[in-house]
Amino acid sequence: GAGVSQSPSNKVTEKGKDVELRCDPISGHTALYWYRQRLGQGLEFLIYFQGNSAPDKSGLPSDRFSAERTGESVSTLTIQRTQQEDSAVYLCASSDRGGRSNQPQHFGDGTRLSIL
Amino acid sequence: GQQVMQIPQYQHVQEGEDFTTYCNSSTTLSNIQWYKQRPGGHPVFLIQLVKSGEVKKQKRLTFQFGEAKKNSSLHITATQTTDVGTYFCAGRSSNTGKLIFGQGTTLQVKP
Repeated sequence: GAGVSQSPSNKVTEKGKDVELRCDPISGHTALYWYRQRLGQGLEFLIYFQGNSAPDKSGLPSDRFSAERTGESVSTLTIQRTQQEDSAVYLCASSDRGGRSNQPQHFGDGTRLSIL
Repeated sequence: GQQVMQIPQYQHVQEGEDFTTYCNSSTTLSNIQWYKQRPGGHPVFLIQLVKSGEVKKQKRLTFQFGEAKKNSSLHITATQTTDVGTYFCAGRSSNTGKLIFGQGTTLQVKP
């Protein structure tokens, strides 16, 4: 596709359930990023993939959060045993190259996650 | 760790007034990027500054990178209602190569 695609666009679930969020980056982009944005707040870095490996997982807030990327394409962010403080918009971004490159990041529309 | 601070957090202006947001890093940056997020939308890349003292313009928007490569500013001349949104700076650390986003400045424009 032309841009970064995320699904679902909205997810409402009960506290304690697991959720899986999906990101399809721009074709050919080797770098992929996940961010969390709470209402009215800035972007909180979660994890960065270069290809299928994740050289920077420093932003994952707890061991309930995990992410994987397969085929240097699709990535999934999994949140286990969701808590109300996990409610936020989860944004995915991709770029042509990662690491120290100067490439801009292209963002998807995000998944709005609401934990009841 | 590296921090990128943005001020102000919010700004309300009358249409036609100017607006400036400032970005300051605790460490030297190799480059700085600016993004705009419209209400309900996702961040969209605006521009990148790389050189010390660099100034770039996009119509009514002027972007500056400080001489010491630790600060940057975005100035909008004669704001319009279409300028409404949150403006984020993102600085790339010279040491780690990591891109760190500021907290953003949310601009409201009253017609």
